Amino acid sequence: KAGVTQTPRYLIKTRGQQVTLSCSPISGHRSVSWYQQTPGQGLQFLFEYFSETQRNKGNFPGRFSGRQFSNSRSEMNVSTLELGDSALYLCASSLPGYANTGELFFGEGSRLTVL
Amino acid sequence: GNSVTQMEGPVTLSEEAFLTINCTYTATGYPSLFWYVQYPGEGLQLLLKATKADDKGSNKGFEATYRKETTSFHLEKGSVQVSDSAVYFCALFPYTGTASKLTFGTGTRLQVTL
Repeated sequence: KAGVTQTPRYLIKTRGQQVTLSCSPISGHRSVSWYQQTPGQGLQFLFEYFSETQRNKGNFPGRFSGRQFSNSRSEMNVSTLELGDSALYLCASSLPGYANTGELFFGEGSRLTVL
Repeated sequence: GNSVTQMEGPVTLSEEAFLTINCTYTATGYPSLFWYVQYPGEGLQLLLKATKADDKGSNKGFEATYRKETTSFHLEKGSVQVSDSAVYFCALFPYTGTASKLTFGTGTRLQVTL
């Protein structure tokens, strides 16, 4: 079956702009998580959505937001971009709730460069 | 809180050498432990896992044993290949039934040369 799909794969923005990233999970997976990966900070958890509700949130400023749609697709948005937001943003899907064993299925990521 | 500590990289080995990447963890209760791998230009993928003490996870020639007494989950492979060059992440998951919030280590880059 198809894997996790993230779009766009690469994008370049300037400071102050905003960006929206999209993630389509594996069919049947209802939980979507987002991670930020940078050389300096490694992998940092942004948030997790299940059934259109944010269930977990990491320690990121309010400029970072997300949502999930009824078909489990998810988007994340970063407003007022800063240079430090340059990163690889990874989306992962998983089975929800009681079936969740910690096994995440990752997309290839969206690489954001902020100039 | 939960945390994972991995050995610093990069680790550079010749093909067919023995690999060990150390991983220790801090957690309450009985977490599940994972190794994820990230090949160049790709997202992470699960390499192996262990869900309880003394379990051994294995895949593609890699092994790791869940040692509760030493809170460790070291990754080993007897003979590495150039194709194993990647970044390896150790991770823990508190227990089943919770939200998808893995705690990752910082990652260890492995470079295998001919």
